[in-house]
Amino acid sequence: DIQMTQSPSTLSASVGDRVTITCRASQSISSWLAWYQQKPGKAPKLLIYKASSLESGVPSRFSGSGSGTQFTLTISSLQPDDLATYHCQQYDSYPWTFGQGTKVEIK
Amino acid sequence: QVQLRESGPGLVKPSETLFLTCTVSGDSIRNYAWNWIRQSPGKGLEWIGYFYINGSTNSSPSLKSRVTFSVDTSKNQFYLKLRSVSAADTAVYYCARDGVSRASDIWGQGTMVTVSS
Repeated sequence: DIQMTQSPSTLSASVGDRVTITCRASQSISSWLAWYQQKPGKAPKLLIYKASSLESGVPSRFSGSGSGTQFTLTISSLQPDDLATYHCQQYDSYPWTFGQGTKVEIK
Repeated sequence: QVQLRESGPGLVKPSETLFLTCTVSGDSIRNYAWNWIRQSPGKGLEWIGYFYINGSTNSSPSLKSRVTFSVDTSKNQFYLKLRSVSAADTAVYYCARDGVSRASDIWGQGTMVTVSS
């Protein structure tokens, strides 16, 4: 199985800050990576697919980059509504696997 | 718009079989592949498996021996059967659609399943 490792596990930032979350794959997954946002008590929501493509309706402050084994999710200006846990997922090869999640807190 | 809704028993006894339903509205179940994903309390997401109406399927090696997928196109529903459950199967279970991007673009709200005697 491909292991997905996210860092940090938790981060605390202020409104307006630029926030970056990293996801590393244990082997190359090309660009077959998605990012999801999960708010407390809710289902995950797709933000980014194919590493850098923004899902329709997602605010432009979210962006993704990377290929191969290293990927990042960036929130350009953190908003109170961005309080959530963010998950990366590889869908290059089965079984699909997720990172352990990064919890974003607002200072 | 497309919506998914999971339904299930809520509580299952150890060693019994869990049966979950995902009802799809707003689109035909024939048009996409469909996933089951779960999340144990306080833990990350775990992919269970996917199936497509043409019979194509795959599942997590750790669950493959206990998992069966099925579908009822007349009801636009698909199902998950998980045999011989234990406390480790306690989780919120989600169904999700494989979008054109191949990522899971639409999710149900999830259904909590507790395995306990």
